[in-house]
Amino acid sequence: DIQMTQSPSSLSASVGDRVTITCRASQTINNYLNWYQQKPGKAPTVVIYGASNLQSGVPSRFSGSGSGTDFTLTISSLQLEDFATYYCQQSYSRTFGQGTKVEIK
Amino acid sequence: QVQLQESGPGLVKPSETLSLTCAVSGASINSSYWSWIRQSPGKGLEWIGNIYNSGSHSSNPSLTNYNPSLKSRVIISVDTSKNHFSLKLTSVTAADTAVYYCARDRYSYGLFEYWGQGTLVTVSS
Repeated sequence: DIQMTQSPSSLSASVGDRVTITCRASQTINNYLNWYQQKPGKAPTVVIYGASNLQSGVPSRFSGSGSGTDFTLTISSLQLEDFATYYCQQSYSRTFGQGTKVEIK
Repeated sequence: QVQLQESGPGLVKPSETLSLTCAVSGASINSSYWSWIRQSPGKGLEWIGNIYNSGSHSSNPSLTNYNPSLKSRVIISVDTSKNHFSLKLTSVTAADTAVYYCARDRYSYGLFEYWGQGTLVTVSS
């Protein structure tokens, strides 16, 4: 089974900060990597698919990169509505990372 | 706009069968993949399985894929007349307590692009 490891598990940041979250796969997954945002009590929503494709309706401050085993989600200028938990997910066997909680500093 | 809505009992006794239904609106249940996903504090987000229904009248119009760790206990089925799909998880234990989500699965990207709101199922006597 392909394991997904995110880092950090949580981070504190301020509005306007640049935030980077990392996801590593236990074996190569090419670019079959998706990112989700989840707010408390809500279902996850798609942020990035196929490693670097911005989901329709998602602000351009979000970007994704990477291929193979190492991937990154970047928020260029953190906004209040971005405080949430973010999950990566690989497409082969559909496993998720453990999540990264982005909190207000 | 595609919308999904889970329904089913919120409490199930240990060793019994968990049964949930996902009603789909804004899209046909045919010619798409549909998934069940669960989320628990202990195991995070876990994909349970998916189903594809071709809409044909052949003897086997549906294709299913299951998470190997749950495969022996899971059945996912579809009811085209009601435009919904269902989950059955047998022999449940407390470890199956979770919020259960249904989602449309964009198979080419393995992407869960539309989600239901989720329903909490507690396994307890």
